[in-house]
Amino acid sequence: GQQLNQSPQSMFIQEGEDVSMNCTSSSIFNTWLWYKQEPGEGPVLLIALYKAGELTSNGRLTAQFGITRKDSFLNISASIPSDVGIYFCVKGGSEKLVFGKGTKLTVNP
Amino acid sequence: NAGVMQNPRHLVRRRGQEARLRCSPMKGHSHVYWYRQLPEEGLKFMVYLQKENIIDESGMPKERFSAEFPKEGPSILRIQQVVRGDSAAYFCASSPGASGGPLRFFGPGTRLTVL
Repeated sequence: GQQLNQSPQSMFIQEGEDVSMNCTSSSIFNTWLWYKQEPGEGPVLLIALYKAGELTSNGRLTAQFGITRKDSFLNISASIPSDVGIYFCVKGGSEKLVFGKGTKLTVNP
Repeated sequence: NAGVMQNPRHLVRRRGQEARLRCSPMKGHSHVYWYRQLPEEGLKFMVYLQKENIIDESGMPKERFSAEFPKEGPSILRIQQVVRGDSAAYFCASSPGASGGPLRFFGPGTRLTVL
C-alpha cells in the first residue's frame, strides 16, 4: 500500500514560534491535502494542493506541493494556543483518502 | 445548516455484542464515507456509499462489518460480535456527489470501546 511518512511525530513549541512539518511518499501523488484534527473531533480540511511546485496559503498556514510530487510541507507562522491538534497529510484525488500518522502539535502559552 | 451528525458520540460494548453507529450526512448530500481511526494512527478508509448502493467497500473487514445507506434515514455502520480490536474512533464524511474534490465535511466521530 501507499506509505506516507510524516515528521516530526510530535512538536512542543512556545506561542509565537513558527512551525514546520513535512510529509513524504513512496509514490507520486496528484493531490496533497492537509487536515487538522482537534481532540474529540473529526478532521478539518486546511489546504488542498493540486500541482507540483504549488504554494498555497490559508491565513497563517502555508503548504507546498513538492516538485518531485512525492513530498509536501506545512508551515504555521506565529503559532497560537488554538493551533494545538494533530496535523495530517493526506493523499487525495479520490474518495479513498490515505492519511499519514500525523504530527501532534502542542503550543505552550 | 447542520454539519455531518454522528451518534452516539461514545459507545461501550462488551465482547460479542453488536455495535450500530449512525451517520446523518449534511442536507443535500447523497454520498457517505466511513473511516476508522485507531489510537495514534491516521484515519483509514472503510466504505463509500450512495443512497441504497455500496460503491466501494474495499476497506471493510471481510467479516462482522456491514454498512448501509437507506433511501430514508441515516447511514448505519454495523459491527457484529465486537472484539477488543474494534475499539477505535469511527468517522463519517459526506459529499453532494462524486465530484472528485477533497472531503471537507467529517462528522465528530463515534468512539467505540469494547470491554
